[in-house]
Amino acid sequence: AQTVTQSQPEMSVQEAETVTLSCTYDTSESDYYLFWYKQPPSRQMILVIRQEAYKQQNATENRFSVNFQKAAKSFSLKISDSQLGDAAMYFCAYRTTGNQFYFGTGTSLTVIP
Amino acid sequence: DAGITQSPRHKVTETGTPVTLRCHQTENHRYMYWYRQDPGHGLRLIHYSYGVKDTDKGEVSDGYSVSRSKTEDFLLTLESATSSQTSVYFCAISDAGGSPGGYTFGSGTRLTVV
Repeated sequence: AQTVTQSQPEMSVQEAETVTLSCTYDTSESDYYLFWYKQPPSRQMILVIRQEAYKQQNATENRFSVNFQKAAKSFSLKISDSQLGDAAMYFCAYRTTGNQFYFGTGTSLTVIP
Repeated sequence: DAGITQSPRHKVTETGTPVTLRCHQTENHRYMYWYRQDPGHGLRLIHYSYGVKDTDKGEVSDGYSVSRSKTEDFLLTLESATSSQTSVYFCAISDAGGSPGGYTFGSGTRLTVV
């Protein structure tokens, strides 16, 4: 079975600064998808960004970007110009070709004004 | 979230009682999932469905059953609730495999078993 590891239970960042959240995964598949989800205190799960494994180019969505290292099985999320509204729990997720998702244990991000 | 609703949003129940959580979607997505979220564990898959009457177990299925008699509804039943089933339960939907889509999640149900 696939495993997803987020080794940073908690992170903090100053407002307007940049922070990187780490994620590694284990798989024997060659084709898959990776995602970052955000969960604010409202509990709603919100898709932040996705990456297709066959694409070399790192995905970017406004202030959010990823560093996808396929050989190293690493998928980190970079948040630039951090805002107070970015404070949340962030989950890394892996989607198999069979459409099953595996989640990491989450990283709680605090943004300091 | 638009297109997927969970009910109830909160529930407190007693040990040993049956509980049913409902997930309803209006997106006509084939795949539906039930996850539980617990501190230190992230989200863990309980059961999922890949079509009407087609369901399968996830990694933490013991003590849970599901049913899907219509495309839009996916029910999660705790036959006899235990305190270890106190958790936040999320339903998710996904379109067919092969597309790059992620999940769309419901708003979650906080279940407390006392």
